[in-house]
Amino acid sequence: SQTIHQWPATLVQPVGSPLSLECTVEGTSNPNLYWYRQAAGRGLQLLFYSVGIGQISSEVPQNLSASRPQDRQFILSSKKLLLSDSGFYLCAWSRLGPVYFGQGTRLTVV
Amino acid sequence: DQQVKQNSPSLSVQEGRISILNCDYTNSMFDYFLWYKKYPAEGPTFLISISSIKDKNEDGRFTVFLNKSAKHLSLHIVPSQPGDSAVYFCAAITQGGSEKLVFGKGTKLTVNP
Repeated sequence: SQTIHQWPATLVQPVGSPLSLECTVEGTSNPNLYWYRQAAGRGLQLLFYSVGIGQISSEVPQNLSASRPQDRQFILSSKKLLLSDSGFYLCAWSRLGPVYFGQGTRLTVV
Repeated sequence: DQQVKQNSPSLSVQEGRISILNCDYTNSMFDYFLWYKKYPAEGPTFLISISSIKDKNEDGRFTVFLNKSAKHLSLHIVPSQPGDSAVYFCAAITQGGSEKLVFGKGTKLTVNP
């Protein structure tokens, strides 16, 4: 069966510090991979999606970037965090069906 | 432009009664629709989906109805249980297209014992 791992679960980072969130998927090959963000009191906003290694589509101009160095690995990064980057970040995958989510990372920028 | 809309931010029902969660969409290219359930501080969990070639899909206590002409879908939970209390997200996608799942803003369901 397929599983998705996302870490860390919680993170507190100072403004201006870098960020790296990692996500890996097991049990499937060539999945579509996604990064979503849920800000307080808001819905799920698609940040990035990838249909293959090295292929990244950005949905919203922002302070963040994504990379897919391996087929089942998706990384969300920032060089310098802003207060507005705080939120609940979710990695997800799909392959010819529903999108399945990881458990999320609560990022607080202080 | 919000392509998937859940106009009710919250819904409260009594245990044992029916919960009806509604969702509207504007993009006629969407052909696959999904409902997710989300608890605080957790990732959304896939509940049930429906393809645009159907108008109803049932899985246990959960039934999703699709009205393509009205661009409307609904999730029925019967009977509702306190454990169903969560935020429910409606989502839509164009299969074979951009592979982007578009979500509504969610409806918080509270089932009272």
